[in-house]
Amino acid sequence: SQTIHQWPATLVQPVGSPLSLECTVEGTSNPNLYWYRQAAGRGLQLLFYSVGIGQISSEVPQNLSASRPQDRQFILSSKKLLLSDSGFYLCAWSPVAGVDTQYFGPGTRLTVL
Amino acid sequence: AQKVTQAQTEISVVEKEDVTLDCVYETRDTTYYLFWYKQPPSGELVFLIRRNSFDEQNEISGRYSWNFQKSTSSFNFTITASQVVDSAVYFCALSDPYSSASKIIFGSGTRLSIRP
Repeated sequence: SQTIHQWPATLVQPVGSPLSLECTVEGTSNPNLYWYRQAAGRGLQLLFYSVGIGQISSEVPQNLSASRPQDRQFILSSKKLLLSDSGFYLCAWSPVAGVDTQYFGPGTRLTVL
Repeated sequence: AQKVTQAQTEISVVEKEDVTLDCVYETRDTTYYLFWYKQPPSGELVFLIRRNSFDEQNEISGRYSWNFQKSTSSFNFTITASQVVDSAVYFCALSDPYSSASKIIFGSGTRLSIRP
């Protein structure tokens, strides 16, 4: 069966510091991968998605970037965090074939102070 | 344009009551998928159901049921005999047919609180 991992679970970072969040998927090959952000009490905002190694599509211009160095690894980064980067970050995966369900990881709660 | 509307921002009911969460969608496509996800206080989104636009049969899974009506572009979710563990934010979502990556469009969510 497939599982998706995210770490760290929680993170408190000062403004201006770098960020690296990691997401890995097990039990599947060549998945589509996604990064979402959820601000407190708000809905989901798609940040990035990837259909393959090195292929990143950005949905919203911002202070963040994403990379996919391996088939089942998706990384969300920032060189300098802003207060507005605080939120709950969710990684998700879906099978490649056609329209299919997205399955989510446990999330990372980021607080920028 | 693709859009999902969950007009109910928050709902609060007493345990054992039945509750229906509304979802209305907009799409120009004839083939699409609809989804419901549950987000408990822990934060992880849990997939509940996916529905193909050609399948209008209602779905029942234990205390959960879904009513899909293309005529009104609605995909409502009913919890029968609600329990405290049902307290969560529930998201309705719609597939984006113009995406090459199985993107889905989420509604803004409905926060459901079940009081003991």
